[in-house]
Amino acid sequence: GAVVSQHPSWVICKSGTSVKIECRSLDFQATTMFWYRQFPKQSLMLMATSNEGSKATYEQGVEKDKFLINHASLTLSTLTVTSAHPEDSSFYICSASYLAGRTYEQYFGPGTRLTVT
Amino acid sequence: RKEVEQDPGPFNVPEGATVAFNCTYSNSASQSFFWYRQDCRKEPKLLMSVYSSGNEDGRFTAQLNRASQYISLLIRDSKLSDSATYLCVVNANDYKLSFGAGTTVTVRA
Repeated sequence: GAVVSQHPSWVICKSGTSVKIECRSLDFQATTMFWYRQFPKQSLMLMATSNEGSKATYEQGVEKDKFLINHASLTLSTLTVTSAHPEDSSFYICSASYLAGRTYEQYFGPGTRLTVT
Repeated sequence: RKEVEQDPGPFNVPEGATVAFNCTYSNSASQSFFWYRQDCRKEPKLLMSVYSSGNEDGRFTAQLNRASQYISLLIRDSKLSDSATYLCVVNANDYKLSFGAGTTVTVRA
């Protein structure tokens, strides 16, 4: 299957700092990537849809100025959590859309576990 | 109402048993359906797509009932390694996915 990498896999930062997370599709080009957040024992919640070369589309309730998304190439999207606070601690997962036959399948990166102290 | 609803379980079954569970979705325009598997503290991994006619992949069988808007997953001859959370995933267009909260399955020796 398609491979998506994510870096870093975990990060601990102090409140008020910014954290950048990278998502890469390694063996295919992804015009669309997605950023999710998952709290313990909850489902994945879509934060934003990232399209190469254009502005990301944010879901309702997600602050675009706090969660900056850049999709500079067909294989790389980045999420920057600005001025992180403890409530931003979560599991952040990216995915990339891949056309498999007649269906768009999504393949996920391994996730980034963010802890803000 | 949530877009995708699942019985959270947990389903505790012995090795070799058959376990089955469903999920329901609210958007009748949904086009694609999937089962993903998520292990603790890991990312979801695609288990199988679900087709209208139903499909099988080894010990896993998925069914889709569009009239009643539910999807099922059946696992035969359960293995210890099948212990995981199974996510029901639906999308109404080519891109955005809606996730259920997951059904936890624990297979015991």
